[in-house]
Amino acid sequence: DTGVSQNPRHKITKRGQNVTFRCDPISEHNRLYWYRQTLGQGPEFLTYFQNEAQLEKSRLLSDRFSAERPKGSFSTLEIQRTEQGDSAMYLCASRGTGLGYTFGSGTRLTVV
Amino acid sequence: KNEVEQSPQNLTAQEGEFITINCSYSVGISALHWLQQHPGGGIVSLFMLSSGKKKHGRLIATINIQEKHSSLHITASHPRDSAVYICAVYDNTDKLIFGTGTRLQVFP
Repeated sequence: DTGVSQNPRHKITKRGQNVTFRCDPISEHNRLYWYRQTLGQGPEFLTYFQNEAQLEKSRLLSDRFSAERPKGSFSTLEIQRTEQGDSAMYLCASRGTGLGYTFGSGTRLTVV
Repeated sequence: KNEVEQSPQNLTAQEGEFITINCSYSVGISALHWLQQHPGGGIVSLFMLSSGKKKHGRLIATINIQEKHSSLHITASHPRDSAVYICAVYDNTDKLIFGTGTRLQVFP
């Protein structure tokens, strides 16, 4: 297992386009988290899954954002009708039954 | 006021210096993480602690639960230690709350 994998690493898109990011967690981890990090700030919580169930969503996650984890393994985060304010690093993390997190390398989104 | 505050925000040091980064939090926690983030975004967990002190190589982390304060120390700093160091706490809702990070630059 090579840890938490995120794809793509970078995404440049035009305003108004839809984008989808993928996160593959550590296989035995049942919890999966999405965070967003803007320049100079710490990561902010977006949503998290326990297995396939989405247990919590931040108010930061507007109607244009949707996340899924259909089989309790990989997860996708989709942003519809992207805006320049969506430009950020989108981080995925997973953890098992303990409190230790493993983070992915992130997907850097630039909306032009 | 942020629930997790770090100081300083930026720190420069000469190689070999002893570094201290501080973290204060205002929420009840079950554990605290110190994380390292290099340019390019990847985050690595350095320590997770809920009491006392932990040491790994040149890194030492301490926490005082009563004072709601933690420190990360780097002894004999090296240019490869240059990174953003982030403090994050577990609140009681099963997710991490992050500080804004401390950007460390160590010059040869």
